[in-house]
Amino acid sequence: AQKVTQAQTEISVVEKEDVTLDCVYETRDTTYYLFWYKQPPSGELVFLIRRNSFDEQNEISGRYSWNFQKSTSSFNFTITASQVVDSAVYFCARGTGANSKLTFGKGITLSVRP
Amino acid sequence: SAVISQKPSRDICQRGTSLTIQCQVDSQVTMMFWYRQQPGQSLTLIATANQGSEATYESGFVIDKFPISRPNLTFSTLTVSNMSPEDSSIYLCSVALQETQYFGPGTRLLVL
Repeated sequence: AQKVTQAQTEISVVEKEDVTLDCVYETRDTTYYLFWYKQPPSGELVFLIRRNSFDEQNEISGRYSWNFQKSTSSFNFTITASQVVDSAVYFCARGTGANSKLTFGKGITLSVRP
Repeated sequence: SAVISQKPSRDICQRGTSLTIQCQVDSQVTMMFWYRQQPGQSLTLIATANQGSEATYESGFVIDKFPISRPNLTFSTLTVSNMSPEDSSIYLCSVALQETQYFGPGTRLLVL
């Protein structure tokens, strides 16, 4: 199986700190898709971003930014000026196609303290 | 995006019984998926449910234990059969739409 590795299990920061969540993936495919999801304590899985293997452009959305590097098979997620509401479990996932089944990493529990 | 609902949102069941979880989406989608998230764990795919064909199960999951129906393009059910405490998990359905997978709110199941 082609794994997704999120080596960090738990991260705790103080509000307004920047934090980077790491994701490393394995792939034998030329085409693949990468995703980040947020799971707050309520349990629902919230889609954050999708990237396909042909698009290595980094992306910024408000306080969130993503760094996709095929050379290192990484797709890292940075939250700038973290807030308490960012406290959640964050999952990185990989799919062979945009509409295919996903393989998830183990998730990173982020706690942002006031 | 898609609006996905699941019923029930949570349930407490006795071992040996079965529970059917419903997933409804507000638009027609070809591919639906069922995932399991055991306590404190990541998501694991149970099966892919395509309308008009048999569900495709992942290794470690069998149809007798997790029968799935997909009667149309907006609805699917997952049954957890002959439950044991090890089946206590969150069960999530997801749909593939516009090159993204969206997830339902999940069904929290506790088996006593």
